[in-house]
Amino acid sequence: DTGVSQDPRHKITKRGQNVTFRCDPISEHNRLYWYRQTLGQGPEFLTYFQNEAQLEKSRLLSDRFSAERPKGSFSTLEIQRTEQGDSAMYLCASSLGTFNEKLFFGSGTQLSVL
Amino acid sequence: DQQVKQNSPSLSVQEGRISILNCDYTNSMFDYFLWYKKYPAEGPTFLISISSIKDKNEDGRFTVFLNKSAKHLSLHIVPSQPGDSAVYFCAASGSSNTGKLIFGQGTTLQVKP
Repeated sequence: DTGVSQDPRHKITKRGQNVTFRCDPISEHNRLYWYRQTLGQGPEFLTYFQNEAQLEKSRLLSDRFSAERPKGSFSTLEIQRTEQGDSAMYLCASSLGTFNEKLFFGSGTQLSVL
Repeated sequence: DQQVKQNSPSLSVQEGRISILNCDYTNSMFDYFLWYKKYPAEGPTFLISISSIKDKNEDGRFTVFLNKSAKHLSLHIVPSQPGDSAVYFCAASGSSNTGKLIFGQGTTLQVKP
């Protein structure tokens, strides 16, 4: 399977705990995106990488959120001191980085903060 | 501010009939538009796109129409099939070439056999 892979698929945590999600993009894709989706809403942009450089972060991304993409391959999204409002589906997507292109999404990580 | 809006949360059609899903946008800088389909427990999958230099793009049973003056686009599915039942998201991209997409809230389509 050469699609975008996300791990874990589900994560249940207690408020105040730290969580980390991983995304493996399609291998030849140099752009990687993180989105968040809550019930009844469309995906909301969080941040994106061009290779290993994080080029844009949404104002939705508070200081408790940090994303990395070491060596321009896989990416991790960490949420520190989780809050109940962080409960959502976290989606990763990748693309080639060309003009007018489509994003390929993974199946997401469903986070539940109790 | 919701730059991309899908005002119909749900739509129900009979198998074999046409499904029309609508999307409005407010930012005139958007120049590329996409439709994604999402099944439960899966990520969105790309369906069809259109550049702002066109007003129509067709791919099999799926056609997207763009009306730039009205800042409106629509997705037509003809004929609709039960397997088309899913959530459909409209998305838009600006001219900055970041690839970042702004999504609407989604419309849940149910195609009844």
